[in-house]
Amino acid sequence: AQSVTQLGSHVSVSEGALVLLRCNYSSSVPPYLFWYVQYPNQGLQLLLKYTTGATLVKGINGFEAEFKKSETSFHLTKPSAHMSDAAEYFCAVSRGSQGNLIFGKGTKLSVKP
Amino acid sequence: AAGVIQSPRHLIKEKRETATLKCYPIPRHDTVYWYQQGPGQDPQFLISFYEKMQSDKGSIPDRFSAQQFSDYHSELNMSSLELGDSALYFCASSPSWWVGGRGAEAFFGQGTRLTVV
Repeated sequence: AQSVTQLGSHVSVSEGALVLLRCNYSSSVPPYLFWYVQYPNQGLQLLLKYTTGATLVKGINGFEAEFKKSETSFHLTKPSAHMSDAAEYFCAVSRGSQGNLIFGKGTKLSVKP
Repeated sequence: AAGVIQSPRHLIKEKRETATLKCYPIPRHDTVYWYQQGPGQDPQFLISFYEKMQSDKGSIPDRFSAQQFSDYHSELNMSSLELGDSALYFCASSPSWWVGGRGAEAFFGQGTRLTVV
């Protein structure tokens, strides 16, 4: 069975600071992992995904994540936070053969000026 | 680029009423997923369809049903509505799952906010 744990329901950083959002997964099969961003009252937008191949994945808006099998982690990072990054971020793992997603509880990112 | 279209965007219903939510996937996407996101919660998978057949089922109540039509749009029918059904309902679509497998990217619509009063 697959599951996702996001550490920290709320993360606050200063503008220009490093963003680190943590995600650990549990999967009985090779995981396909995703990060989605959700702005208030909006849908979910894919930031990046890991399926196979290179373990460092680059996404949109300057975000990247590294798949670490030994640590069962897929943390999301961005070197320098921007005010527009304030949103809720969901880590997800693909479940079953049909690709539906299991989401973590989400991490709300606040960016202080 | 065309996105996933959901209608209506907002819906207010009374308890015990019925509601129908519609989803129009991205052209040439034949897989549709429905998710429910309660206030302050993560999205929960309800049901999915591939080529008009139900492909997987999650935590969808028996009071809910869904189908995918010949033009690939999907409808989620909700009956005997309860206060706890108030949530944001997302539809997502992806291209043939067998192309990308479990790694096929799902594109989400803006959601339908259902409020049951």
